[in-house]
Amino acid sequence: SAVISQKPSRDICQRGTSLTIQCQVDSQVTMMFWYRQQPGQSLTLIATANQGSEATYESGFVIDKFPISRPNLTFSTLTVSNMSPEDSSIYLCSVHWPSGSNEQFFGPGTRLTVL
Amino acid sequence: QKEVEQNSGPLSVPEGAIASLNCTYSDRGSQSFFWYRQYSGKSPELIMSIYSNGDKEDGRFTAQLNKASQYVSLLIRDSQPSDSATYLCAVTSNTGFQKLVFGTGTRLLVSP
Repeated sequence: SAVISQKPSRDICQRGTSLTIQCQVDSQVTMMFWYRQQPGQSLTLIATANQGSEATYESGFVIDKFPISRPNLTFSTLTVSNMSPEDSSIYLCSVHWPSGSNEQFFGPGTRLTVL
Repeated sequence: QKEVEQNSGPLSVPEGAIASLNCTYSDRGSQSFFWYRQYSGKSPELIMSIYSNGDKEDGRFTAQLNKASQYVSLLIRDSQPSDSATYLCAVTSNTGFQKLVFGTGTRLLVSP
């Protein structure tokens, strides 16, 4: 499968601040996905990011809160803005691999704690 | 009704037994079905995918799909303590972008 890395692996942030999470893939992929996994919960899709177009957000998630960039076919960022303790979660990026297949593979995740 | 339903468990089985994990889904248009394994503190790892009715075997794992009953299952033969993890069922929605909808997961405990 593709090698996916995320930075940072974890962070502790103060409420009201913002954090940008990076996702890097070692191969070009068409779509990248951002998920959230709240403590003890399953994964929820935040948005789908295609290179060269605006991200598509799922119900309950908005661009002002979770702006996403997709500058090229191997990289994406997710920003968690104006954070509150309810944003404490694991944030994961994923990609289809090989590109065009239905199988999704996940990065190692970013564990975010908001105080 | 949740889109993808799983029993949260824990499902406890002795080492060497068969573990049976079940999942139901509500979207009749779903075409692709996946099982992920997630160890505590780690990200989900894809272990099986299945697209057509019937069984698909890969090593100790067998995925079973019944689209008429909207049911997918995962059998783990000769369960090992290292199989202890949360198993997530995921289904693609019948919309664009091949969105994955996850169940809440079943926690499996394999005792030595």
